[in-house]
Amino acid sequence: DQQVKQNSPSLSVQEGRISILNCDYTNSMFDYFLWYKKYPAEGPTFLISISSIKDKNEDGRFTVFLNKSAKHLSLHIVPSQPGDSAVYFCAASAGFGNEKLTFGTGTRLTIIP
Amino acid sequence: ETGVTQSPTHLIKTRGQQVTLRCSSQSGHNTVSWYQQALGQGPQFIFQYYREEENGRGNFPPRFSGLQFPNYSSELNVNALELDDSALYLCASSSLGQGAGRGTEAFFGQGTRLTVV
Repeated sequence: DQQVKQNSPSLSVQEGRISILNCDYTNSMFDYFLWYKKYPAEGPTFLISISSIKDKNEDGRFTVFLNKSAKHLSLHIVPSQPGDSAVYFCAASAGFGNEKLTFGTGTRLTIIP
Repeated sequence: ETGVTQSPTHLIKTRGQQVTLRCSSQSGHNTVSWYQQALGQGPQFIFQYYREEENGRGNFPPRFSGLQFPNYSSELNVNALELDDSALYLCASSSLGQGAGRGTEAFFGQGTRLTVV
């Protein structure tokens, strides 16, 4: 039972354009959501997070949007840069003090120069 | 500030053997979590240790066990290895939230690639 789903295994975007990565979840208990970026031969690196009490969080070029009624979140990267090429994982956790993360299967983002 | 380090980086074991993977937490963090990432999948939660006690476990059999030491470093032990145990094993350290805070986001090591033949 995949509680966090990333339905696009891959995405290609021109440099300078907006990259939009999507994530859906099924568990209503999830109240904290994170995006991680992973390069080959490295561990995932934290990018940005959002609590369920918010619907948007921005950090520089990265913005995460949360739609609780649709159980959907998205990561926007603008403008996209070649260094953004990586696998992006959406993750979620449930309940204060519960640091267990449930991950999606990832989306491979390729930025075309 | 030191990062999360894992050892070894690569390992090949034979089916039925036992393996121990090691992780040094980021300085100041009191919580270690272990994840298994199979090829083409996202990381799957194995278990978490907080102040040397197991603090949650995912859907993994008892032959997966762990330890956390007073310096917050950790070990993951897998007994009776099976071919399906071949995966990238990731360690993540964080500081479990207290009071009103959520705690810190988890910081991952580079992983140990385990191959069971």
